[in-house]
Amino acid sequence: DIQMTQSPSSLSASVGDRVTITCRASQGISTYLAWYQQKPGKVPKLLIYDASTLQSGVPSRFSGSGSGTDFTLTISSLQPEDVATYYCQRYNSAPNTFGPGTKVNIK
Amino acid sequence: EVQLVQSGAEVKKPGESLKISCKGSGYSFTNYWIAWVRQMPGKGLEWMGIIYPGDSDTRYSPSFQGQVTISADKSISTAYLQWSSLKASDTAMYYCARHPSSRTWVYFDYWGHGTLVTVSS
Repeated sequence: DIQMTQSPSSLSASVGDRVTITCRASQGISTYLAWYQQKPGKVPKLLIYDASTLQSGVPSRFSGSGSGTDFTLTISSLQPEDVATYYCQRYNSAPNTFGPGTKVNIK
Repeated sequence: EVQLVQSGAEVKKPGESLKISCKGSGYSFTNYWIAWVRQMPGKGLEWMGIIYPGDSDTRYSPSFQGQVTISADKSISTAYLQWSSLKASDTAMYYCARHPSSRTWVYFDYWGHGTLVTVSS
């Protein structure tokens, strides 16, 4: 199976900071990667698909990039409502593995 | 409006059987894959498997193959996840989620609210 890793596992940043989360696949997955946001006690929400396409309704401060094995999710200006755990997910083949998650807090 | 409505929380004993459900509405249920995702307490998301309600084509993660059964009844637009003999380690929140197209391998655009399963003696 293709394994997914994320770094860091957690981070604290100030409101307005630029935040970058990295997701790495153990083998190339082209751009078959999505990012989800899960706020505490809530259902996961799709942010980005096909590595860089912003889901409708998602604020433009979120962006994604990458292809092959290395991907990033960037929050250009962190807001208090962005406190959440962020997961990447590959979907090039079964099983559609999720990364372990990155917990984002406000400093 | 697309909705996935899951059945309510369950409390079961080890060894008991269980079937939880996910009812789709607001779209053509038979034409979109439905997935099941596990989230153990305080842990991350795990892809369990998917089903295409149109023909019941089902794919499982190797980690869950043989441990659960995924099924669907297209006549009532409902997908199911079932266990024949629960273990304490099955305690988790279980989400259903929908693919945005008929593609087999794709992300999830809509999620159910989750069904909390607690297995305890």
